[in-house]
Amino acid sequence: NAGVTQTPKFQVLKTGQSMTLQCAQDMNHNSMYWYRQDPGMGLRLIYYSASEGTTDKGEVPNGYNVSRLNKREFSLRLESAAPSQTSVYFCASSEVYGGGTEAFFGQGTRLTVV
Amino acid sequence: AQTVTQSQPEMSVQEAETVTLSCTYDTSENNYYLFWYKQPPSRQMILVIRQEAYKQQNATENRFSVNFQKAAKSFSLKISDSQLGDTAMYFCAFYSGGSNYKLTFGKGTLLTVNP
Repeated sequence: NAGVTQTPKFQVLKTGQSMTLQCAQDMNHNSMYWYRQDPGMGLRLIYYSASEGTTDKGEVPNGYNVSRLNKREFSLRLESAAPSQTSVYFCASSEVYGGGTEAFFGQGTRLTVV
Repeated sequence: AQTVTQSQPEMSVQEAETVTLSCTYDTSENNYYLFWYKQPPSRQMILVIRQEAYKQQNATENRFSVNFQKAAKSFSLKISDSQLGDTAMYFCAFYSGGSNYKLTFGKGTLLTVNP
């Protein structure tokens, strides 16, 4: 059972380059999330998708775009990477209806923008 | 908007002793869920324990238990008989399906268990 699969695990970008982080879950969850983790800041929500076909901004959406391609997949795109986007990125999924099931996380992507 | 506050950036405890991590939150919702997640150096996020707000009884999972005070909006985690493997970052998280389905995390507490 794969759970949440996130790719790539590591990436180095030059300032101004673009890239897409991929996330897929096989648990038939409705909700998916993208977080960034920075030292001393915890996990901050970038974007989330409560269900297929919907996306909403979180706390720190600037500089990012997302696509909920289908129920399984939720991608995060950096159009023009900046050094401030150096971080560890996590994708997560959970079930909405019935409420409060635990969120399952991917292994994280360590992104460095130079 | 919901906020989650963990006021202890770092804590340490001796092996076999008990430690309590604090978490407070702010919400206008009545039905919600609270979680504690553990993140060891491997970076993997692991659910430790969860609490439904409509349940008055505090959740327990083996050596882990919570003290949930709904009126005070407090949700602390107690770790009994601490083990070296408990060394990790611990995150408190809040979820409400009522309005926006967001899962919001605190900034975390780094717990070190000393031998």
